Amino acid sequence: DAMVIQNPRYQVTQFGKPVTLSCSQTLNHNVMYWYQQKSSQAPKLLFHYYDKDFNNEADTPDNFQSRRPNTSFCFLDIRSPGLGDAAMYLCATSQHQETQYFGPGTRLLVL
Amino acid sequence: SQQGEEDPQALSIQEGENATMNCSYKTSINNLQWYRQNSGRGLVHLILIRSNEREKHSGRLRVTLDTSKKSSSLLITASRAADTASYFCATPKETSHSRLTFGEGTQLTVNP
Repeated sequence: DAMVIQNPRYQVTQFGKPVTLSCSQTLNHNVMYWYQQKSSQAPKLLFHYYDKDFNNEADTPDNFQSRRPNTSFCFLDIRSPGLGDAAMYLCATSQHQETQYFGPGTRLLVL
Repeated sequence: SQQGEEDPQALSIQEGENATMNCSYKTSINNLQWYRQNSGRGLVHLILIRSNEREKHSGRLRVTLDTSKKSSSLLITASRAADTASYFCATPKETSHSRLTFGEGTQLTVNP
């Protein structure tokens, strides 16, 4: 039973063409996160929502935006993808600020 | 330098051997977590150890925490080929316990 679902699993976009990645959860957790992970590196937190409160990391580029219309869904928008944005994007959830539950990730390829 | 640094970066062992991975961190923490990531997949939570605990077990996993040295270790006993994965330690950021900082990870390869 999937708990954190990410769609699509693979996304190909063109340089500069906006793209949206989606994440949904069945855990009813109050915190949702978006991470970027490049090959052989640690996941890097982009931002997170604590309920409806959006929290951006200081070094997250303006090119990355997020929306959380309700508890279950969270979206990552990349307004103008560059070649350097090709990566795995991981969504995660947590409750009570402890264990995080990750989705399978969306691998983004920018042509 | 980064919170949650791990060593070794890569470890290759034979099935049945034990694997030990280490993690060091810099700030005060209330817990430390270990995650596993199979190639091309999301992370899976393995174990959480609190700052007032010194050792914790879960199946073939044993985690230790030494807050005086700001270090933790993950031991996998009697390893299996299916344990091949990357292992990350993670610590809450001081300013916001909602957020985790992940170490660079240890790539473990268990050869059949």
